[in-house]
Amino acid sequence: AQTIHQWPVAEIKAVGSPLSLGCTIKGKSSPNLYWYWQATGGTLQQLFYSITVGQVESVVQLNLSASRPKDDQFILSTEKLLLSHSGFYLCAWSQGPGNTLYFGEGSRLIVV
Amino acid sequence: GDSVTQTEGPVTVSESESLIINCTYSATSIAYPNLFWYVRYPGEGLQLLLKVITAGQKGSSRGFEATYNKETTSFHLQKASVQESDSAVYYCALAPTGFASALTFGSGTKVIPCLP
Repeated sequence: AQTIHQWPVAEIKAVGSPLSLGCTIKGKSSPNLYWYWQATGGTLQQLFYSITVGQVESVVQLNLSASRPKDDQFILSTEKLLLSHSGFYLCAWSQGPGNTLYFGEGSRLIVV
Repeated sequence: GDSVTQTEGPVTVSESESLIINCTYSATSIAYPNLFWYVRYPGEGLQLLLKVITAGQKGSSRGFEATYNKETTSFHLQKASVQESDSAVYYCALAPTGFASALTFGSGTKVIPCLP
């Protein structure tokens, strides 16, 4: 069975500090990978997607970046956090376009 | 672009009463997108509740059902008798076309069952 794990579960970070959120998928080779973000009270918004190692496409520009260093790993990062980065970050995988998305547990970020 | 509009929450419903969460969609990239309902229970991750990929078909899971209506571009979620365990946030979503396109979600509807 496939599993998806996100880390950290939660973080409180200062404005201007760096951030790195991670996601690992086990039991599925060459998945499509996605990062979603949800501001408090807001809707889920797709940030990035990746269809293969080393290739990441940006959907929404929020001064964040993403990388896929390995087939089963997806990283979201920034060098300088903004207050507007606060929210809930979800990693997800699917078998392809239009298919069911399977989500991780999410990482809650509070920027102060 | 594509969009999903659903009932604004929170929705409070008495246990054993019926529930309906409205969902309408607008899909500019594809005529008949795949439609989904996702659910997030307290303390748990977002998970698929049900999915329908064919217009006119009905999907069901855990006592919930939703029918894909292409005429009204709707995918309302219904349950005949709500239980305490149905306390959750429900999201309607569609899958547009396009390479590696992911789902477009509605804003979510929080359901709060209460004692009758």
